[in-house]
Amino acid sequence: NAGVTQTPKFRVLKTGQSMTLLCAQDMNHEYMYWYRQDPGMGLRLIHYSVGEGTTAKGEVPDGYNVSRLKKQNFLLGLESAAPSQTSVYFCASRWTGATPEQYFGPGTRLTVT
Amino acid sequence: QQPVQSPQAVILREGEDAVINCSSSKALYSVHWYRQKHGEAPVFLMILLKGGEQKGHEKISASFNEKKQQSSLYLTASQLSYSGTYFCGTGSNTGNQFYFGTGTSLTVIP
Repeated sequence: NAGVTQTPKFRVLKTGQSMTLLCAQDMNHEYMYWYRQDPGMGLRLIHYSVGEGTTAKGEVPDGYNVSRLKKQNFLLGLESAAPSQTSVYFCASRWTGATPEQYFGPGTRLTVT
Repeated sequence: QQPVQSPQAVILREGEDAVINCSSSKALYSVHWYRQKHGEAPVFLMILLKGGEQKGHEKISASFNEKKQQSSLYLTASQLSYSGTYFCGTGSNTGNQFYFGTGTSLTVIP
């Protein structure tokens, strides 16, 4: 099992460019999450999904869109990148139930110049 | 809704103990603890679901005081491998969303 994978690992964008981050999990998890991690801020939830075809906003959704067309994939899109979106992005997934251990991907380091 | 952690950073010598605190202004329905090594993804340590619950993981244990809306992580006889950033997290009342604390950087030196 690969667990949770993310592509790409690194990316540099110019302001105004767009891109999509891909998260894939092979554990048949229902729930998937996108977080951003900035120094001193911890992990902040951007969007999440509780199942195929569903998405919902987290704490910091502005400037991002997501889609969950297949259960194993969760895509995070930036339509018009801004320097404030420079961050490390983590995807996570988990089972349903009362012991929601989250499994994280290795992260994507994004720099917007 | 982000929990607050203290201290922000701590440096220990091998064998020393440390306590990391996590508190919230909102009700805590559950508390999760994760550790993140530099340049890596966070890794789950443990979850506490009930007030008064205590759990252990090798020499790392945690407690949850539901009434005080606090949790504490206890690291005893620290080892070099304990170095990293520790995050607490709490679930929303629906259990769908999670809010992570700001993190505590722990460095263990020989």
